[in-house]
Amino acid sequence: DAMVIQNPRYQVTQFGKPVTLSCSQTLNHNVMYWYQQKSSQAPKLLFHYYDKDFNNEADTPDNFQSRRPNTSFCFLDIRSPGLGDAAMYLCATSRDGSRGAVEQFFGPGTRLTVL
Amino acid sequence: QQQVKQSPQSLIVQKGGISIINCAYENTAFDYFPWYQQFPGKGPALLIAIRPDVSEKKEGRFTISFNKSAKQFSLHIMDSQPGDSATYFCAASISSGSARQLTFGSGTQLTVLP
Repeated sequence: DAMVIQNPRYQVTQFGKPVTLSCSQTLNHNVMYWYQQKSSQAPKLLFHYYDKDFNNEADTPDNFQSRRPNTSFCFLDIRSPGLGDAAMYLCATSRDGSRGAVEQFFGPGTRLTVL
Repeated sequence: QQQVKQSPQSLIVQKGGISIINCAYENTAFDYFPWYQQFPGKGPALLIAIRPDVSEKKEGRFTISFNKSAKQFSLHIMDSQPGDSATYFCAASISSGSARQLTFGSGTQLTVLP
């Protein structure tokens, strides 16, 4: 089945220790998104890629970086995690949305705990 | 202008009852309105979606009602079941280059009692 896969599902890191979350997709979608979802809140967009073109949301902290080495994979790097970065991180994909509305498909998420 | 307001925050319904969740938006440039269902520890899954040129869309027990002039839309779950217990997010979508910007409502935690 075509899908969005996130690894690991659960990640524990220490305050200030860099961490990388990964996302892969078999949908062959052009666009990949990273969202942060804190407990009992809506997902908040951090950034997205259209192919290799990176687009950062204005209020995304510099602590968050992303890499997309190819169509299938996208990584979220948190350079120095703080306690406030503990959250569920969701990866999503979509086709090119320039010609109209398209659905975003979400992965299962990675739950990040910062000790 | 980018906000989507969702109510209620939580909802408790008896099995077989109707669950109704309401959303309102300001930005008339939004052109796609999906509803997502999220179970604990899982990612959001698209439930049903509507475009603003349609006033109602029904898929099984789930119906979206859309009022363009009032800038409001709602999700109705008929014959609610305990398995429907989840958090529901409305969202509004707008083009952002070749991507789509999704603005989520704050979510409604639905509990269906057996």
